[in-house]
Amino acid sequence: DAGVIQSPRHEVTEMGQEVTLRCKPISGHDYLFWYRQTMMRGLELLIYFNNNVPIDDSGMPEDRFSAKMPNASFSTLKIQPSEPRDSAVYFCASSLAVLAKNIQYFGAGTRLSVL
Amino acid sequence: SQQGEEDPQALSIQEGENATMNCSYKTSINNLQWYRQNSGRGLVHLILIRSNEREKHSGRLRVTLDTSKKSSSLLITASRAADTASYFCATGSSGAGSYQLTFGKGTKLSVIP
Repeated sequence: DAGVIQSPRHEVTEMGQEVTLRCKPISGHDYLFWYRQTMMRGLELLIYFNNNVPIDDSGMPEDRFSAKMPNASFSTLKIQPSEPRDSAVYFCASSLAVLAKNIQYFGAGTRLSVL
Repeated sequence: SQQGEEDPQALSIQEGENATMNCSYKTSINNLQWYRQNSGRGLVHLILIRSNEREKHSGRLRVTLDTSKKSSSLLITASRAADTASYFCATGSSGAGSYQLTFGKGTKLSVIP
């Protein structure tokens, strides 16, 4: 398996622009997680899905952030409008709920810079 | 707030030495996991220890868990330059929502050749 695939790897945009980050989880996994990583706050869970249904979005910082999972093989995280404080590395991870193990497999991340 | 807190924040050792990192957490857990992150990459799972286990080994890795003290340690023996990375502990809570993990801020390990 190719692992979790994220695109783009790098995104540079100007304040106010819409940004869409994409994720393809490992085939057969039933959980998908979106994280944000910064030096100051570490790795923060933004939202996670189970069988394409959002379960907990309490980590989404504000209404400018939205996430969707239209099918089992694709998810997006959208920021509209973007702000400089959104600059961070965004990770997607997927997991398979089996034998009470919740090991997560991470993508390589998208480094977002909002100017 | 972060569930897991790693200690130290940074560690620098010579190749061949052992590296020990500690993690403390606050609430009841189902399991505790350690992940590694190389610079510019995603996190990679290393080892999982369940709440009813006290010690686990995997190659040069040894993990201990003390649920009474709500703490865990990761020992890397005979370190190599390739072990240079950040190491994170992650806790899976017991009960509802147990499939999510809460990560600490990590220990940055530098192994000097």
